Amino acid sequence: DTGVSQDPRHKITKRGQNVTFRCDPISEHNRLYWYRQTLGQGPEFLTYFQNEAQLEKSRLLSDRFSAERPKGSFSTLEIQRTEQGDSAMYLCASTPAGANTGELFFGEGSRLTVL
Amino acid sequence: GENVEQHPSTLSVQEGDSAVIKCTYSDSASNYFPWYKQELGKGPQLIIDIRSNVGEKKDQRIAVTLNKTAKHFSLHITETQPEDSAVYFCAASKGAGSYQLTFGKGTKLSVIP
Repeated sequence: DTGVSQDPRHKITKRGQNVTFRCDPISEHNRLYWYRQTLGQGPEFLTYFQNEAQLEKSRLLSDRFSAERPKGSFSTLEIQRTEQGDSAMYLCASTPAGANTGELFFGEGSRLTVL
Repeated sequence: GENVEQHPSTLSVQEGDSAVIKCTYSDSASNYFPWYKQELGKGPQLIIDIRSNVGEKKDQRIAVTLNKTAKHFSLHITETQPEDSAVYFCAASKGAGSYQLTFGKGTKLSVIP
């Protein structure tokens, strides 16, 4: 399977714990995006990387959230001191640079439940 | 910022009938409008998109129309099939190369055999 891969698919944690999600984009896609989707809502933009550079962060990305893409390949999204409001599906997507279409290729997501 | 409203939130149709989902957007600078389909347990997948210099686009049973003046766009699915059952999201952005899509809240389409 050469699609966007996310790990873990499900994570249950207690309030106050730290969690980390990993995203492996489609090979040679140099643009990578993180979105958050809560139940019954559409995805909301969190942050965007071009290669290893984080070019934009949403106001939704509080100080407890940090995303990295150290070598311009896979990315990690860490949430520190989780809160119940962080419970959501975290979606990763990728696109190739210079694409003439706007298609985002989404992974299947990492579902976080904070107890 | 951009705000995208989507209606209806749920839609049930008989197999073979047509389904229409409507969206409005607020930012006149938006010029790229994709539609995504999300099946249970999966990530959203692009099904069709339209740019602001085009009023209508078709792809087999799926069509999208855009009214820039009224700031609304619609998804039309004809001859619906049970496999069309899913959640559909409209979105808007300032360009196909834009990093940030603003999504609607989604429409859960159920096609009854």
